[in-house]
Amino acid sequence: EAGVTQSPTHLIKTRGQQATLRCSPISGHTSVYWYQQALGLGLQFLLWYDEGEERNRGNFPPRFSGRQFPNYSSELNVNALELEDSALYLCASSLLQSSYNEQFFGPGTRLTVL
Amino acid sequence: AQTVTQSQPEMSVQEAETVTLSCTYDTSESDYYLFWYKQPPSRQMILVIRQEAYKQQNATENRFSVNFQKAAKSFSLKISDSQLGDAAMYFCAYRSPSGGSNYKLTFGKGTLLTVNP
Repeated sequence: EAGVTQSPTHLIKTRGQQATLRCSPISGHTSVYWYQQALGLGLQFLLWYDEGEERNRGNFPPRFSGRQFPNYSSELNVNALELEDSALYLCASSLLQSSYNEQFFGPGTRLTVL
Repeated sequence: AQTVTQSQPEMSVQEAETVTLSCTYDTSESDYYLFWYKQPPSRQMILVIRQEAYKQQNATENRFSVNFQKAAKSFSLKISDSQLGDAAMYFCAYRSPSGGSNYKLTFGKGTLLTVNP
């Protein structure tokens, strides 16, 4: 069974540009979560999508947005990039009906903003 | 809001020895879920062990076990017979009970574990 996949592995952008990060969940999982892992800040929850809808968002500005497609894959968009957006972005998926609703993580996308 | 604290930024252990990583959390909820994740240098977060708060019995997965003290809001991870492959950043995470919009994980800052041969 394939795990959570993310693309691209690395992304380099300049300040003010837009970045698009992609995530494919484990087959059968309907929930996708996005987390930001920035140096010194730890892992911070960004967004949660389930069944195509945004269910919850963390304390991030509106220029962080995303969507979930009918096949449950997801996209994270970051507009007007700032230097402090440089981080590892992790995507996770889960099946809400499972007893623990464990989140399984992808390998991440390293975003560097110059 | 829930918070998770890992007071040991770094720990080291000799191969084959036992090490315990600490985690405390703050919550007003009575039922919740706790997890330990491992993040090796490859960056992929791997679930190590999980515990549901209403279950009194401590979870065990092979060489990994937890000491869950609900009243003290403590959730430590014990790694027995440490192996070189255990070297990684370990994160403690909290999740609210199922339902509503609270399926996010709240993570501690992590403990970097070094295993010495």
